[in-house]
Amino acid sequence: DAGVIQSPRHEVTEMGQEVTLRCKPISGHDYLFWYRQTMMRGLELLIYFNNNVPIDDSGMPEDRFSAKMPNASFSTLKIQPSEPRDSAVYFCASSLGTSGRNEQFFGPGTRLTVL
Amino acid sequence: DQQVKQNSPSLSVQEGRISILNCDYTNSMFDYFLWYKKYPAEGPTFLISISSIKDKNEDGRFTVFLNKSAKHLSLHIVPSQPGDSAVYFCAARNDYKYIFGTGTRLKVLA
Repeated sequence: DAGVIQSPRHEVTEMGQEVTLRCKPISGHDYLFWYRQTMMRGLELLIYFNNNVPIDDSGMPEDRFSAKMPNASFSTLKIQPSEPRDSAVYFCASSLGTSGRNEQFFGPGTRLTVL
Repeated sequence: DQQVKQNSPSLSVQEGRISILNCDYTNSMFDYFLWYKKYPAEGPTFLISISSIKDKNEDGRFTVFLNKSAKHLSLHIVPSQPGDSAVYFCAARNDYKYIFGTGTRLKVLA
């Protein structure tokens, strides 16, 4: 299994531009999570899906952020317009709800820099 | 409001000794606790977890202890190895919502 796949790995953009981050979860997993990592706040949960349905988006910082999961094998996190304070590493993770260990599998992350 | 706290940003330990990483939480509704390890430029990887109904779980060199009355958990690594040098995150789950601490950077000295 290839694990959770994220693209791009690095993104540099200018303030005001639209940014789209992509994630392919592990096949068969029914939960998908988007996190943001910063030095000050560590790993923050932005939103999570169960069976492609958004369950909790209370961590999404502003209306500039949106996430979709059109099918079980693909999700996007979009920032429009982007701002310098959005610079961070964004992780996608997936998990199987019936797993006894309740572990999440993380992708390698997308490092976003907004100039 | 930081529901999960790791108050030590860094820790250095001699190879072969015990590493103890600590984590405190505030929400008594958390039902599962997990530890993850993270190397630079990689995503976190799962290490070990514990249910809120238990007080100890062991997996090889890794043991997690849970003290519910103190709302405190700890990860023990014995013996510590240089390959254990990484950032360790504790996480707590409430109804599939996972809250992470800010991490502790462990350095194991050879």
